[in-house]
Amino acid sequence: AQTVTQSQPEMSVQEAETVTLSCTYDTSESNYYLFWYKQPPSRQMILVIRQEAYKQQNATENRFSVNFQKAAKSFSLKISDSQLGDTAMYFCAFMIPTDSWGKLQFGAGTQVVVTP
Amino acid sequence: NAGVTQTPKFQVLKTGQSMTLQCAQDMNHEYMSWYRQDPGMGLRLIHYSVGAGITDQGEVPNGYNVSRSTTEDFPLRLLSAAPSQTSVYFCASRPYTGELFFGEGSRLTVL
Repeated sequence: AQTVTQSQPEMSVQEAETVTLSCTYDTSESNYYLFWYKQPPSRQMILVIRQEAYKQQNATENRFSVNFQKAAKSFSLKISDSQLGDTAMYFCAFMIPTDSWGKLQFGAGTQVVVTP
Repeated sequence: NAGVTQTPKFQVLKTGQSMTLQCAQDMNHEYMSWYRQDPGMGLRLIHYSVGAGITDQGEVPNGYNVSRSTTEDFPLRLLSAAPSQTSVYFCASRPYTGELFFGEGSRLTVL
C-alpha cells in the first residue's frame, strides 16, 4: 500500500516570506502523479499543483512551485511571497493511475498560517 | 457550470438514524468517490465508482453504502449512524488520470 507522510502539522510564515512544506511518499511504482491541494477555512478543496512522475521538470504555478525528488520520494511545496489568503490546510496526495482507476492517497495535512 | 454538488451541507443525526448524502456532477466524469476528513488523518476514501453500475470499497467502507445508477449521481448512505461517523464528507469526481474535483463538503454530526 502507498503511504504519504506530511511531517509538519503546522507552519507559520509572515507575509511576503517563503515557506516550504514537506511531503514524502512510499511506492514501488514508477508511473504516478502527485498533487498539492489547498483547503482554506471555507472547506473547499482546491488543486494547487500537479506533477507527473515521468516529468523531470518541477511544476510551477505562479507563486507555488514544487521540488520533486523522485529517487528520494520527496515532493515539497514552496510558497513564495506568502499572502494572507494562503492561510489554509495543505494536503499532499499521491495517485497511481493504473491502480483501480487511480485512488488518491492523502497525507494528514499541514496547516499554514500567514501572519501580517 | 455547477461542477460537483453535495447536499446537505450540514446534518445532525441521532445514533441509529439513517440518511443519504447526495452527490451530483455535471462534467460527465466516469470516476466518482466519497472521502471523509477527520483531524490529523487527512482524507480517507470510503467508496468509489468507475462508472454507472460499478462501485468498490475504499479504505474505510464499514457503515456506508453506495450505488451508481447514473453517471451523474453517486449517493452515500449511512445505514445506522454512529458517533464515530461524525466527520466532514467530500464527494469528488475526475476524468481518467485527471485531478479530482471536489464538492464543498458535508459536515455530519452524530449524537
